[in-house]
Amino acid sequence: QSVLTQPPSVSEAPGKRVTISCTGSSSNIGAGYDVNWYQHVSGAAPKLLIYDDTKRPSGVPDRFSGSKSGTSASLAITGLQAEDEADYYCQSYDNALSVSLFGTGTKLIVL
Amino acid sequence: EVELVESGGGLVEPGRSLRIACAASGFNFEDHAMHWVRQAPGKGLEWVSGISWNSASIDYADSVKGRFTISRDNARNSLYLQMNSLTAEDTALYYCAKDKAAAGPGSLDYWGQGTLVTVSS
Repeated sequence: QSVLTQPPSVSEAPGKRVTISCTGSSSNIGAGYDVNWYQHVSGAAPKLLIYDDTKRPSGVPDRFSGSKSGTSASLAITGLQAEDEADYYCQSYDNALSVSLFGTGTKLIVL
Repeated sequence: EVELVESGGGLVEPGRSLRIACAASGFNFEDHAMHWVRQAPGKGLEWVSGISWNSASIDYADSVKGRFTISRDNARNSLYLQMNSLTAEDTALYYCAKDKAAAGPGSLDYWGQGTLVTVSS
C-alpha cells in the first residue's frame, strides 16, 4: 500500500555524507503532513530519528538531519560511521487513503 | 522509562484467529495514541492500525480492514489487536508503538521488541 518511494539502497564510505530521499504525492507529503524518519537495525526495535520533518529526539546525534520540499523529503547523514549501517524508513499520513504510511525503505551500506 | 512489551504471538492455522497484546509502562498511556506496525520476513515496515487516546479515532491499513480490530484498555495500560481470518500474508513480527500525540497519527517515539505471528498449516 506504500506510496512513499525510497531508493532500495545507498552506500558511502565512513566519514562521508549520504542522503536518502522519500518521494510522495499531493495527498501525503505534498499536503503538508509531517514526515518522520526511523532507523531499523536488524534484530532491534525501530528507532525514531527525525520527527515533524526536521526535529531530532533527545539523544539523536546532530549528524542526522531532515528536510522537506514539495512532495518529497530527505534524510541526511554526515560523518558516516559503521554503526549507521541499517534500514531507514520515512513515514507520513495520507489523506486520500486515511492511513499512516511507511516508505519502501532504504538499506544504508557503509563501505 | 518507557516500556512496551508485546505478547500473544505464535503459530496459527490459516483462517483462524489470534489476539496479540501490548503492555505499556513508564508513561501516561491514556494521553497517547498507539499503533501496530508489522514486518513480514524480508520485507519493510508496514503500518497496520492506529487508535487515538480515547478510542474515538481508529484507522486500518487496507490489507487488514474488516479482519483486524484494534482496541485499548486505558485502565490496564494495554493495547490489543484481534486478528481474524488470518492468511499466510499476515505472517510477520508485530510491533506495538507509542505515538507522540494523543490523537495521532504522529511520530512513533517508542517501540516494543515485537511478537512473531506465523500463519501456516
